[in-house]
Amino acid sequence: DAGVIQSPRHEVTEMGQEVTLRCKPISGHDYLFWYRQTMMRGLELLIYFNNNVPIDDSGMPEDRFSAKMPNASFSTLKIQPSEPRDSAVYFCASSLAGGKRAGELFFGEGSRLTVL
Amino acid sequence: DAKTTQPNSMESNEEEPVHLPCNHSTISGTDYIHWYRQLPSQGPEYVIHGLTSNVNNRMASLAIAEDRKSSTLILHRATLRDAAVYYCIPDQTGANNLFFGTGTRLTVIP
Repeated sequence: DAGVIQSPRHEVTEMGQEVTLRCKPISGHDYLFWYRQTMMRGLELLIYFNNNVPIDDSGMPEDRFSAKMPNASFSTLKIQPSEPRDSAVYFCASSLAGGKRAGELFFGEGSRLTVL
Repeated sequence: DAKTTQPNSMESNEEEPVHLPCNHSTISGTDYIHWYRQLPSQGPEYVIHGLTSNVNNRMASLAIAEDRKSSTLILHRATLRDAAVYYCIPDQTGANNLFFGTGTRLTVIP
């Protein structure tokens, strides 16, 4: 299996532009997570989906952020308009339900976003 | 949610054992304890998890205190490749989301 695939790996954009980050989870996994990592705030959970349905988006910083999962093999995280404080590494992860415990998370390599 | 306390950083000499502690005194009786690590410029990766008994796998061992208020991740022989940030994460029973804290940055000295 190719693992979790994220694109782009690096994105440099100007303030006010729209940014779309993409994620392909591991086939068969029923959970998908979006995390953001910065030096100041560490690794933050933004939103997660179960069977393509958003379960908890309480970590999404504000209305400029939106996430979708139109099918089991694809998810997007969109920022519109982008701001310099959105600069971070964005990770996507997927897992199988673990029953009484959280399933093992498999992370992608991340998308490094720089907003000028 | 259970809170965790980990040292910010630790050092170890190469090929020596490393014991990474974690306090989780507010953990509930059914919360599992997960450990992940993040190598430089990579996403986090799973290391090990446990509930009550000590656990071993090819990467590490997990020793869980009898009262479950603390646990220790044991790397039996540290290598340079083990230099990473190690996260101790209690889950919430039945929930599949994991919240990462600040972790312990392990430096391995050649």
